[in-house]
Amino acid sequence: NAGVMQNPRHLVRRRGQEARLRCSPMKGHSHVYWYRQLPEEGLKFMVYLQKENIIDESGMPKERFSAEFPKEGPSILRIQQVVRGDSAAYFCASSTDSGTDSYEQYFGPGTRLTVT
Amino acid sequence: EDQVTQSPEALRLQEGESSSLNCSYTVSGLRGLFWYRQDPGKGPEFLFTLYSAGEEKEKERLKATLTKKESFLHITAPKPEDSATYLCAVRGGSNYKLTFGKGTLLTVNP
Repeated sequence: NAGVMQNPRHLVRRRGQEARLRCSPMKGHSHVYWYRQLPEEGLKFMVYLQKENIIDESGMPKERFSAEFPKEGPSILRIQQVVRGDSAAYFCASSTDSGTDSYEQYFGPGTRLTVT
Repeated sequence: EDQVTQSPEALRLQEGESSSLNCSYTVSGLRGLFWYRQDPGKGPEFLFTLYSAGEEKEKERLKATLTKKESFLHITAPKPEDSATYLCAVRGGSNYKLTFGKGTLLTVNP
């Protein structure tokens, strides 16, 4: 029973390069959330997606960041022209349905992005 | 805006020494309060969901309780393997997102 899968686990990019982070939700889950954890900070919500739809991107920086969850394949968080301040752990979570009371988000192991 | 404050930031216990972690929150229309455990270098692991004041849930040495303003995570007779960061989060109103506190780093010494 595979949980939420993320890859790569560690990613090193030079300033100005692009970073692509992938997330496969738990089996049976159709809702995906991305969070960022900066050093000494709590987890911060970035974006919530369903298949082929961005539902809430209120936590996404306005520039350089984008996310998608295509009909087939994993969800992708894309960071263009990375800067040192983008260095953080990025976590993906999934749930069955955000509308019910039995709502729980299950997290993946995260991708640690280091920008040099 | 939803807010979550956890205290203490760090807690050291001796094995077998029971204690409690606090999570204070402000939210418009609580849809759930969540406790997670996070080990170094890993993702948060789901522990409990509480929905209404007075609710309690237990799992092994952990017990979570909820009031209208705060939640407590009680740890009874902890063991070294309980050492981790414990995270509290809330979901409020029509939001889908979770708002997290900064966590409490628990260390249990043998």
